[in-house]
Amino acid sequence: GEDVEQSLFLSVREGDSSVINCTYTDSSSTYLYWYKQEPGAGLQLLTYIFSNMDMKQDQRLTVLLNKKDKHLSLRIADTQTGDSAIYFCAEGGSTLGRLYFGRGTQLTVWP
Amino acid sequence: KAGVTQTPRYLIKTRGQQVTLSCSPISGHRSVSWYQQTPGQGLQFLFEYFSETQRNKGNFPGRFSGRQFSNSRSEMNVSTLELGDSALYLCASSREGDTNTEAFFGQGTRLTVV
Repeated sequence: GEDVEQSLFLSVREGDSSVINCTYTDSSSTYLYWYKQEPGAGLQLLTYIFSNMDMKQDQRLTVLLNKKDKHLSLRIADTQTGDSAIYFCAEGGSTLGRLYFGRGTQLTVWP
Repeated sequence: KAGVTQTPRYLIKTRGQQVTLSCSPISGHRSVSWYQQTPGQGLQFLFEYFSETQRNKGNFPGRFSGRQFSNSRSEMNVSTLELGDSALYLCASSREGDTNTEAFFGQGTRLTVV
């Protein structure tokens, strides 16, 4: 089956940039996603990138995709305490209607 | 435009009981997927419905079932509840459920089995 790997924890100081990394195994992935989950809440779609793109920027968020290495990253510029949450990487693979998720990266932002 | 609505938000049930959770997708979306989220196992795929048909199923026992109605609303049912079924149950809706569409999640139903 498809595997998606992420580091579990990341701590940064407010105002710094955060970079969350993810690796995946399914080379047929069409879309790769980043979701955010705050305590007690569902998953919020932050951004996504189509597999034929290398980079996508959306305000403070930059997604980089290295398809050769199957590596995806999410950079959050000027990280704020409100960005503290769990961030999930997910890939839309070969199975209709199903996303494959990593275990999530807990981002903690210190003031 | 209304988002994905899951009801109820919280549930407490006892072992052996059954439970039904509901998910109303975004208007115009025809695919609904269900996931179970636990601290130990992360997000696990339960099943996906499209136009009232189950297209895919994850690796869960037969106690977990679902259905989709003609208006795309979906329900999932868990029978003979076990303590290990305590989890956050999330549903996601997308237009077609293929790999070319965005999936939006509801707030989840927090099920506690005692």
